[in-house]
Amino acid sequence: DTGVSQNPRHKITKRGQNVTFRCDPISEHNRLYWYRQTLGQGPEFLTYFQNEAQLEKSRLLSDRFSAERPKGSFSTLEIQRTEQGDSAMYLCASSSPGPQHFGDGTRLSIL
Amino acid sequence: QKEVEQNSGPLSVPEGAIASLNCTYSDRGSQSFFWYRQYSGKSPELIMFIYSNGDKEDGRFTAQLNKASQYVSLLIRDSQPSDSATYLCAVNRDNNDMRFGAGTRLTVKP
Repeated sequence: DTGVSQNPRHKITKRGQNVTFRCDPISEHNRLYWYRQTLGQGPEFLTYFQNEAQLEKSRLLSDRFSAERPKGSFSTLEIQRTEQGDSAMYLCASSSPGPQHFGDGTRLSIL
Repeated sequence: QKEVEQNSGPLSVPEGAIASLNCTYSDRGSQSFFWYRQYSGKSPELIMFIYSNGDKEDGRFTAQLNKASQYVSLLIRDSQPSDSATYLCAVNRDNNDMRFGAGTRLTVKP
């Protein structure tokens, strides 16, 4: 069990650029979740996959956000035309189901 | 009303004391309840989970659930300075997305 792995750990980009993050879940976990966390707040649910199927998306997830899990293993989260308000920690979690286990997150900073 | 409410703290206790962290939730259909610990700049780490009314103990940690009152708590006995962190309460309705509180910041003073 190597845990949930996220890359990159940090991403700094200019406003308007596109960014993509990757999450590798715990190998036997079929469920994968993306959350966003800002300072002083708890994680905020974005979207959820069971195997390769995206089963739920938050109303907070604008059209600029898209997530994929093409083979039911790793997942990517893409943000297009980034805005200042996208600056946050993006967390990935996985489960089998049961309790969710988080990766170390990707911290996104928008210049 | 927020779905999951926690006192933001900070809660300060002396080393060796019992720290009591509280959480209330609004969705009566919630089925699973979790406590995560989050150190500054790090990701949440699962501490406890509880599904049934009553108490669940794991080492120095005890989770308490009262579904009728929509209340979850976490007790930390013999608090240590290393327990200083933000504690996040999370609830799950149908094993899909979790709803998190904003967290309670705990400081254990030596």
